[in-house]
Amino acid sequence: DTGVSQDPRHKITKRGQNVTFRCDPISEHNRLYWYRQTLGQGPEFLTYFQNEAQLEKSRLLSDRFSAERPKGSFSTLEIQRTEQGDSAMYLCASSKDVNTEAFFGQGTRLTVV
Amino acid sequence: AQSVTQLGSHVSVSEGALVLLRCNYSSSVPPYLFWYVQYPNQGLQLLLKYTSAATLVKGINGFEAEFKKSETSFHLTKPSAHMSDAAEYFCAVSDQQGAQKLVFGQGTRLTINP
Repeated sequence: DTGVSQDPRHKITKRGQNVTFRCDPISEHNRLYWYRQTLGQGPEFLTYFQNEAQLEKSRLLSDRFSAERPKGSFSTLEIQRTEQGDSAMYLCASSKDVNTEAFFGQGTRLTVV
Repeated sequence: AQSVTQLGSHVSVSEGALVLLRCNYSSSVPPYLFWYVQYPNQGLQLLLKYTSAATLVKGINGFEAEFKKSETSFHLTKPSAHMSDAAEYFCAVSDQQGAQKLVFGQGTRLTINP
């Protein structure tokens, strides 16, 4: 068990550019979650997957955001036409099922300049 | 809708002193409550969780929390602070036993003075 892995750890991008983050969950974890954490705030739920199915999306996930989990394993979160307000830590977590603890990755810190 | 309020964005205690981090919740359904710890540039680690089995919950690293329905509180305590406890602490609520779709508080930064 190597834990939840996120890549990259840090990303600096210019406003208007597209960025993509990757999350590799713990092996055999069916559920995968994305959260966003802005400076000085607690994490906010964005979306989650049960295997490859995206079951819920927060209203925070505007149409510039898209998440996928094509084979029910790793997931990607893409932000198109980034804005300065997108600067945050993007956290991924995974759990074996609905009743078990979710384990968090170390996050990807995005800075939009 | 569910929400969490953490009273005090910053708490400072001396090494060896009692740690008390406050959390109040709002939930229209029986809540599941969690405390997470976050060290700098790290993800969140689960300290403990309340899932209705017992009102006093013991977690890792000597922390415990007591669920008080009448006060809608779930305060985190540790009898004796250690320097390694310095971190950010988040209280969270969910309507499910697992950690699906957690609603987090704003966090409390704990500083330990030598």
